[in-house]
Amino acid sequence: EPEVTQTPSHQVTQMGQEVILRCVPISNHLYFYWYRQILGQKVEFLVSFYNNEISEKSEIFDDQFSVERPDGSNFTLKIRSTKLEDSAMYFCASSIVGSGYTFGSGTRLTVV
Amino acid sequence: AQSVTQPDIHITVSEGASLELRCNYSYGATPYLFWYVQSPGQGLQLLLKYFSGDTLVQGIKGFEAEFKRSQSSFNLRKPSVHWSDAAEYFCAVGEYDAGKSTFGDGTTLTVKP
Repeated sequence: EPEVTQTPSHQVTQMGQEVILRCVPISNHLYFYWYRQILGQKVEFLVSFYNNEISEKSEIFDDQFSVERPDGSNFTLKIRSTKLEDSAMYFCASSIVGSGYTFGSGTRLTVV
Repeated sequence: AQSVTQPDIHITVSEGASLELRCNYSYGATPYLFWYVQSPGQGLQLLLKYFSGDTLVQGIKGFEAEFKRSQSSFNLRKPSVHWSDAAEYFCAVGEYDAGKSTFGDGTTLTVKP
């Protein structure tokens, strides 16, 4: 069964450093998303991406965040200058019309 | 704005017993509704979805859910729970099937032997 692949599974970074979280969506999917889940809290929408541009973003997705689909297969989330409160599980998802989301298994980001 | 309420934070059922997890949503138009399951340390897996049509939808792993517009509910059911069903369950509502989803706080299911 097709999967969404996320790397790395766990990343530890120092406050103020830049991190890039990587995702390989399912190949025929057209819509891509990033969600995050702070430990013990609900899953929160960050951004959706379609046709090589952001289609919607949340208030969380401020100027320190950016997304890119650099080569037609990868989908990345960059956090420019990490803060302690960015520590969370970050989930990538992809979909096509009618499918619902397929989520990756997540990247646990720890900012120290 | 859309929102989802899962009234039960934690539910414990005995193996073999039936299960119902509650979900209430708030959305002005016809909602797109989803149930996901998350095992510890894992990602979210789609159990089932409702977009339109038959209000009783069947999903994977023997789960079903019923959309009741009059009650703004989309409750998840399973007739006989297995120990492997212990996990966290999230209900979500979307504006359209490929749009942003808003998740509930989740319900943690514990299964007693």
